Amino acid sequence: EPEVTQTPSHQVTQMGQEVILRCVPISNHLYFYWYRQILGQKVEFLVSFYNNEISEKSEIFDDQFSVERPDGSNFTLKIRSTKLEDSAMYFCASRANSGNTIYFGEGSWLTVV
Amino acid sequence: KNEVEQSPQNLTAQEGEFITINCSYSVGISALHWLQQHPGGGIVSLFMLSSGKKKHGRLIATINIQEKHSSLHITASHPRDSAVYICAVKAPQGGSEKLVFGKGTKLTVNP
Repeated sequence: EPEVTQTPSHQVTQMGQEVILRCVPISNHLYFYWYRQILGQKVEFLVSFYNNEISEKSEIFDDQFSVERPDGSNFTLKIRSTKLEDSAMYFCASRANSGNTIYFGEGSWLTVV
Repeated sequence: KNEVEQSPQNLTAQEGEFITINCSYSVGISALHWLQQHPGGGIVSLFMLSSGKKKHGRLIATINIQEKHSSLHITASHPRDSAVYICAVKAPQGGSEKLVFGKGTKLTVNP
């Protein structure tokens, strides 16, 4: 079964460092998402991406965050200058043009120290 | 803004028991997802519902659009069903793309 893959599975970074989380969505999917889950809390929406541009973003997704689809297969989330409160599990997800089923990756644990 | 509430927060069962997890939401939706988050943290989509009922193996999901309520049932529960079960909803067609998540129900099935 096709799946969304994410790398790295776990990253530890110093506060203030830039981090790039990578995702390979399912190949024929057109909608892409990033969500995050702080330990012990609900999963929260960060951003959705369609037709090579951001279609929606949450208030969490401030100027420190950016997304890119650099080569037609990867979908990346960049955090420019990480803060302690960015420590969370980050999930990439994708869906096809038709239908509402969303497929999630296994997540990337980010720990900011 | 849609509020998604799940109950119970924690559920412990003996192997073989019938399990029900509930989800209610405050605003009309186009779809409701039941997701399973396993101990490693990864999320797997179990069902996507917009009406009625769906069944997959020992899992059954129902939704009542008028009452803004959905249930996930597990028949003949097994220790491998132990996980966090999460309900998430999507706004009506033409609205927001994002999913709004509940807090999850942690299920532990003892042998």
